[in-house]
Amino acid sequence: AQRVTQPEKLLSVFKGAPVELKCNYSYSGSPELFWYVQYSRQRLQLLLRHISRESIKGFTADLNKGETSFHLKKPFAQEEDSAMYYCALRGNNFNKFYFGSGTKLNVKP
Amino acid sequence: DGGITQSPKYLFRKEGQNVTLSCEQNLNHDAMYWYRQDPGQGLRLIYYSQIVNDFQKGDIAEGYSVSREKKESFPLTVTSAQKNPTAFYLCASKGTGQYEQYFGPGTRLTVT
Repeated sequence: AQRVTQPEKLLSVFKGAPVELKCNYSYSGSPELFWYVQYSRQRLQLLLRHISRESIKGFTADLNKGETSFHLKKPFAQEEDSAMYYCALRGNNFNKFYFGSGTKLNVKP
Repeated sequence: DGGITQSPKYLFRKEGQNVTLSCEQNLNHDAMYWYRQDPGQGLRLIYYSQIVNDFQKGDIAEGYSVSREKKESFPLTVTSAQKNPTAFYLCASKGTGQYEQYFGPGTRLTVT
């Protein structure tokens, strides 16, 4: 069965510290992984997609098929990174997505 | 922002009443979605529609119903059979061949 697991409900770091938001998945085929972000009082929006292999707002995420993980990383956290982050998976049905339970990132000054 | 709207922002209902949440998009997207967002549980898929006049159940469809009579609209009815309807409901849409879902601002439903 498809499942996306985000083990941390809350992650607090100080400004300038590295941050890693964990995401593990289970899927029998070749999934497509995404990170979505929801800033306070804003809509949920796409942050990045594993196929793009790009850095958005300093964040990167690498798909590790061996460990079935797609952790989100940033070397130096900023206060404006404080938000709710969701990991999502899309499988063979290109129109169906599975979301994790989310991790709230709190970057302290 | 814009492109996909949900109304109202807040909705209050008495237990036992059905209530319909509105979702409209002008992005010409074929696929539309309804998610329920609860603290600690993330987004759970209620229903999704890949094309007009077609929809599929998600993981938590019990107690909900939808219709897709127009491409632009995908209303969600929360029926009295839904045991715990108080939640934040998010609508989303996606274009054919695209990977990004666009989300609405959400409707917070409170049933007392």
